[in-house]
Amino acid sequence: NAGVMQNPRHLVRRRGQEARLRCSPMKGHSHVYWYRQLPEEGLKFMVYLQKENIIDESGMPKERFSAEFPKEGPSILRIQQVVRGDSAAYFCASSPRLRRDEQFFGPGTRLTVL
Amino acid sequence: AQKVTQAQTEISVVEKEDVTLDCVYETRDTTYYLFWYKQPPSGELVFLIRRNSFDEQNEISGRYSWNFQKSTSSFNFTITASQVVDSAVYFCALSESYMNSGYSTLTFGKGTMLLVSP
Repeated sequence: NAGVMQNPRHLVRRRGQEARLRCSPMKGHSHVYWYRQLPEEGLKFMVYLQKENIIDESGMPKERFSAEFPKEGPSILRIQQVVRGDSAAYFCASSPRLRRDEQFFGPGTRLTVL
Repeated sequence: AQKVTQAQTEISVVEKEDVTLDCVYETRDTTYYLFWYKQPPSGELVFLIRRNSFDEQNEISGRYSWNFQKSTSSFNFTITASQVVDSAVYFCALSESYMNSGYSTLTFGKGTMLLVSP
């Protein structure tokens, strides 16, 4: 039973480019959470999605960041026009429909903006 | 708003010493979960334990033990006879259940870096 998968594991972008981070939840999980870990900080909640719906995006920066979780395929966290301050580790977690208090984390994507 | 404080930024010990990592939390909810995660140098998050707010029993798992004190809002983590492989950043986290909506998000502390030297 594969765990939460994230790709790419490492992503390098130049300022102004777009970054797309993918998260495939565990099989049977329909809830996805994205967290960001800035250097030497703890993880901070960004957004919570169910299939085709954004439920809570209270932690998302207001501009340049968006997330989706389509009916088919992985969840995508998209960062447009990246800046150096976006350099961080982005973690995705998934949870089963009936146990929302359990979140299983992926290995993270480390984004470096040059 | 909920908050998790890990006052120890970095701890250095010598192998075989016991070490305790502190975690203090704030929440207005009566129902919540507390977690500890380990983040080794490779960067992934390794789940260590989840504790329900209604269960104040201490827990031991091998060299790891956890002390949950609701009266002081603390959930401390002790590693007995530390080993070099224990070197990592350790995060304490709090999950608050949103009873009406049914989902929860995690609030993490800033982490404690543990360095175990031979």
